[in-house]
Formats: sequence, structure tokens, C-alpha cells
Amino acid sequence: SQQGEEDPQALSIQEGENATMNCSYKTSINNLQWYRQNSGRGLVHLILIRSNEREKHSGRLRVTLDTSKKSSSLLITASRAADTASYFCATDRVQGAQKLVFGQGTRLTINP
Amino acid sequence: NAGVTQTPKFRVLKTGQSMTLLCAQDMNHEYMYWYRQDPGMGLRLIHYSVGEGTTAKGEVPDGYNVSRLKKQNFLLGLESAAPSQTSVYFCASSPRVPARTNQEQYFGPGTRLTVT
Repeated sequence: SQQGEEDPQALSIQEGENATMNCSYKTSINNLQWYRQNSGRGLVHLILIRSNEREKHSGRLRVTLDTSKKSSSLLITASRAADTASYFCATDRVQGAQKLVFGQGTRLTINP
Repeated sequence: NAGVTQTPKFRVLKTGQSMTLLCAQDMNHEYMYWYRQDPGMGLRLIHYSVGEGTTAKGEVPDGYNVSRLKKQNFLLGLESAAPSQTSVYFCASSPRVPARTNQEQYFGPGTRLTVT
């Protein structure tokens, strides 16, 4: 079963707007990662947030983690057409060794 | 560095045929993984390896076998392909890190397999 569930499944916004995607998970984790997948390509790592961190920034990306609610959010500010892609959260499990469980993804479309 | 490469990029098989997908990485990573991705779904782990000569089952291992004879290569085999194995297959690798931590995984470009 999927550990991570993204919400929404699809999001369409205008270029320049901010995009927010959410991820919920079920079991305790060591960390949570976000990946991007352009159409027909492999996944690319965006950011990793550890279970003892609450917020992390990388360029136009901001990730938050709320372990009490078992949820995370990815915010992309000032979106660009090149941000059009699917975004996946991935979680490990405290007892797991180097294995990630991916959510179903949010398909983000940035309209020019 | 080429990173993670996969061959072939595309393949069409008839039901019952066999094939091997090859994954190669030049980053000296200890861990390697095979995933499948179906439409509208995330990635599901098929098998993984934590080092040369070792493999383990993931979430959906049935119908697949793997081998890691060399550290840089991870092979995924389908002995008797079925239409349910039509999917896009991704290989990934990651470096060894201390227990209870994690590292990003580096993905290959994928192999699109159709079984008719």
C-alpha cells in the first residue's frame, strides 16, 4: 500500500502564481523527500527534510513537515512553465533500510 | 559521469517471452533499486540490492528476478512476460549512509515495456 498520498492529484495555475502540494503518510518516518518527474523522464530529487526538521528551503522551493499530523507540503513560489511536471513525495520507514515508498503524485501544469 | 543508465529504452514482448533489463551506475553506489510505474500511480518497488551479490524483495516482486553480480550493474529479469507487466520500469541507486538516515535516490531514464 502507498505510504504517501498527495493532494491534489492535479493542479493547474498561471505562471507566476504559487503552487502548493500536500502529502500525507501513515507510519513514523526518518525523513521525507520530494521528487519531480518531467513527462517521459526519470525522477529527480528536489529536497529532503528530516523528521526533526519543520521547514526547509531550496531556491523557490519550501517544504514543511508536521510529524504530529503526518503531513508535508511543497510550495513552489513564482511558478514557471518549466515547473510543469509531476511531483512525488517519498517516505522511508523507521525500521526500513534505504527503501522509499512513493505517493501517487500531483500533476502540476503551469499555464503561460 | 553518465549517472544511472538503463537499456533498452523501449521493448515490446509477446506473452510468455523473457527479457532482461540492464541498469548501470557509475557513482559507486552501494544500493540499487528497481521500480515500476503504472499510469496515474507512483513508483512501486520490485526488488532492491544493498550491495554486490545481495538482493531482496520489494513491494511487488512476483514475476521478476534480479541479480547484482557487479556493484555497478543491477539486472531485472522477466522469465515469462504477462500483459500485467506492461509498465515503465525505473532503476535507481543511492549511496550507503548510516542506519536510520537516508539519502536521495538517483534515477535512470526508464524502460517502457509493453507485453501483448
